[in-house]
Amino acid sequence: SQQGEEDPQALSIQEGENATMNCSYKTSINNLQWYRQNSGRGLVHLILIRSNEREKHSGRLRVTLDTSKKSSSLLITASRAADTASYFCATALNDMRFGAGTRLTVKP
Amino acid sequence: GAVVSQHPSWVICKSGTSVKIECRSLDFQATTMFWYRQFPKQSLMLMATSNEGSKATYEQGVEKDKFLINHASLTLSTLTVTSAHPEDSSFYICSARLAGVYEQYFGPGTRLTVT
Repeated sequence: SQQGEEDPQALSIQEGENATMNCSYKTSINNLQWYRQNSGRGLVHLILIRSNEREKHSGRLRVTLDTSKKSSSLLITASRAADTASYFCATALNDMRFGAGTRLTVKP
Repeated sequence: GAVVSQHPSWVICKSGTSVKIECRSLDFQATTMFWYRQFPKQSLMLMATSNEGSKATYEQGVEKDKFLINHASLTLSTLTVTSAHPEDSSFYICSARLAGVYEQYFGPGTRLTVT
């Protein structure tokens, strides 16, 4: 079964704008990870945030984690057309469960 | 480091036949491997967890007699889709994990098409 929900399910923005995706989960976690997947391709690991961390940055990516609310957000700043993809959060404890994903479209 | 490969990357088979997908950890020993299935425009769904040398644990709703998983060594797990049907057409992704750590490393996926 999936771990939780992501919203929005789909997001369309213009190049240069910021994109924010949210993820909620249901159980305890050791860490939460965000992945990108281009259509029909494999997963690309973006960032991992541990349960004792609240915020993490990597380049244009900013991830927050609120374990009290069981939620996380991924912010992509200054988006580019190449950021067009599906984005999934995944929670890890004994195994890894994926959220439903957000399909991001960045228009040039 | 921590590279996981899958073979084949894509396969087409006829209904009723069986197809085997391999998942290998290339530079580490994976005590646990996971198999996921992803239908078009959907998320990854965990199918089963396999520990080296023991039987796989299947998620609810996944037929263990249809999806045979073998984790015979610390670097290789195989998923065999038996008596394949068109509805088994999907993207199958494996991942591998070292003992004692939570990080998983994902393979590139195998696209199965059953005609």
